[in-house]
Amino acid sequence: DGGITQSPKYLFRKEGQNVTLSCEQNLNHDAMYWYRQDPGQGLRLIYYSQIVNDFQKGDIAEGYSVSREKKESFPLTVTSAQKNPTAFYLCASSNSGLARPDTQYFGPGTRLTVL
Amino acid sequence: RKEVEQDPGPFNVPEGATVAFNCTYSNSASQSFFWYRQDCRKEPKLLMSVYSSGNEDGRFTAQLNRASQYISLLIRDSKLSDSATYLCVVTGNTPLVFGKGTRLSVIA
Repeated sequence: DGGITQSPKYLFRKEGQNVTLSCEQNLNHDAMYWYRQDPGQGLRLIYYSQIVNDFQKGDIAEGYSVSREKKESFPLTVTSAQKNPTAFYLCASSNSGLARPDTQYFGPGTRLTVL
Repeated sequence: RKEVEQDPGPFNVPEGATVAFNCTYSNSASQSFFWYRQDCRKEPKLLMSVYSSGNEDGRFTAQLNRASQYISLLIRDSKLSDSATYLCVVTGNTPLVFGKGTRLSVIA
């Protein structure tokens, strides 16, 4: 089955710790994205990547970092510099990037709670 | 003006009712438009794309008005299973821009 997987589903971390969220897709999509969603809010773009070894900051990149070493994988690290990290994190992928906007397909998300 | 604005609702409607959502966008250069559905504590899923000529899929109809910069979603004969948050999505200068969503509750 093709799709996007995110792990873990729920994650708890202590304040001051870095944590890495996993996102893997086997859809052969070039573009991948990370969003954050807070209760009652829309999705806000953290980082996106249109090709391997390249990525760009979104609207709220501060306190986050990413890598794109493989086409299938786009992990997100929430660093201790992120002041309010508790949120629902969604990874998405699409067949094309900015040049030809296409529908995005989402993973099931990771709920991060900072204790 | 926010890039994408939606009425947050909630819209509480009885089964069988017709309900319409509107969404306005600020970037006149936007090219692609979508409606996504998001169930509580789940990921958004594509409901339908919105074309200039309009788009119909069963009980759902989406329309685009470029002159007034808004898109709409019409749901006919509402079902209990339609209860969800509906997200308006527009392409701007960055990847897709999401509205905050409109919450729909269909009541038996």
